[in-house]
Amino acid sequence: AQSVTQLGSHVSVSEGALVLLRCNYSSSVPPYLFWYVQYPNQGLQLLLKYTSAATLVKGINGFEAEFKKSETSFHLTKPSAHMSDAAEYFCAVSDLSGNTPLVFGKGTRLSVIA
Amino acid sequence: NAGVMQNPRHLVRRRGQEARLRCSPMKGHSHVYWYRQLPEEGLKFMVYLQKENIIDESGMPKERFSAEFPKEGPSILRIQQVVRGDSAAYFCASSPPGPGEQYFGPGTRLTVT
Repeated sequence: AQSVTQLGSHVSVSEGALVLLRCNYSSSVPPYLFWYVQYPNQGLQLLLKYTSAATLVKGINGFEAEFKKSETSFHLTKPSAHMSDAAEYFCAVSDLSGNTPLVFGKGTRLSVIA
Repeated sequence: NAGVMQNPRHLVRRRGQEARLRCSPMKGHSHVYWYRQLPEEGLKFMVYLQKENIIDESGMPKERFSAEFPKEGPSILRIQQVVRGDSAAYFCASSPPGPGEQYFGPGTRLTVT
């Protein structure tokens, strides 16, 4: 069975500071990994995905994530936080067979302080 | 190309009533997933459908919940005899055939009074 753990339900950073949101996964098969962002009262938007190609994945809005198999991690980073980054972020995993349900972490709420 | 559409966006039902949630996938997408998001929780998978077939319903409660994706028209998630614990945001996602990410709709927020 697959699972995702997001450390920290709430992260607060200053505008311009580094953003680091942590995600660890458990999977018995090679995984696909995803980061989604959810703004208040909206659906989920895909930020980036890892599909067994490059281990460093670049996404939209300046975010990137690095797949580390040895650490079973897929942490999300952004060098400089912007006020508009304030949202809920979800890490998710599925297996490489494709078209399988996503297993989500509980989410991390990012606050950006001016 | 319109995104995944869900309606209604907000739905209020009294205990014991039925709730019908609709999802129209993106054009060309034949796979539909339903997820439920409870307050302060991540999304939990409920059911995965292809046209006229339920592929995986392992996350859906055995009682009161059903889903369909007919040959024509949207996918429907139906909750009979709603209870307060059904209050949540219900998200639909669609994907094309083959490996790929899922595209999410804006969700239906169900409130049971």
